[in-house]
Amino acid sequence: AQSVTQLGSHVSVSEGALVLLRCNYSSSVPPYLFWYVQYPNQGLQLLLKYTTGATLVKGINGFEAEFKKSETSFHLTKPSAHMSDAAEYFCAVSAPVSYDKVIFGPGTSLSVIP
Amino acid sequence: NAGVMQNPRHLVRRRGQEARLRCSPMKGHSHVYWYRQLPEEGLKFMVYLQKENIIDESGMPKERFSAEFPKEGPSILRIQQVVRGDSAAYFCASQGRRAGAHNNEQFFGPGTRLTVL
Repeated sequence: AQSVTQLGSHVSVSEGALVLLRCNYSSSVPPYLFWYVQYPNQGLQLLLKYTTGATLVKGINGFEAEFKKSETSFHLTKPSAHMSDAAEYFCAVSAPVSYDKVIFGPGTSLSVIP
Repeated sequence: NAGVMQNPRHLVRRRGQEARLRCSPMKGHSHVYWYRQLPEEGLKFMVYLQKENIIDESGMPKERFSAEFPKEGPSILRIQQVVRGDSAAYFCASQGRRAGAHNNEQFFGPGTRLTVL
């Protein structure tokens, strides 16, 4: 069974400050990990994903995440927040089995303060 | 992703009516997933379909909900006798698949926001 937890349902940062959104997962098999962003009243957009290989993954809009197996974590970071980063962020996990049901975390709402 | 189409975008129903949600996957994709997002919550998997087959419906409520993905046309999520608790955003995602490959990216549609009065 797989699950995802996201620490902090709401995170506020100042414009230009570091963004850190936390994600921990539980999986009985080596996981595939994802971060999605959702803007108000829109669908989900994939920011980045980890499948195999390099544990530091770079995504769109300057975001990156690092897979740490020992900590079962996949935290999302961005060095400098922009106002346009304000959105809901979902961490997700799936298993490389015959199909790819994605298990989502509860989400973290990011606010960027001018 | 703009390639996955869902309609309607907003749907209002009264208790007891039926809701039909449509999802047209990206061209060439034959795998469709439906997810439900309740207010203030993350997305929850409902059902996974391939053309003419339901592969996994473990996330679907046992009553009133059904899904299909016919050989021709969009995938349909049908909710009979809707109740207020069905109010949510329903997202579909489509996926192409290379033979022998796993976990190709799912592309999400914009969602249908169902409101039950």
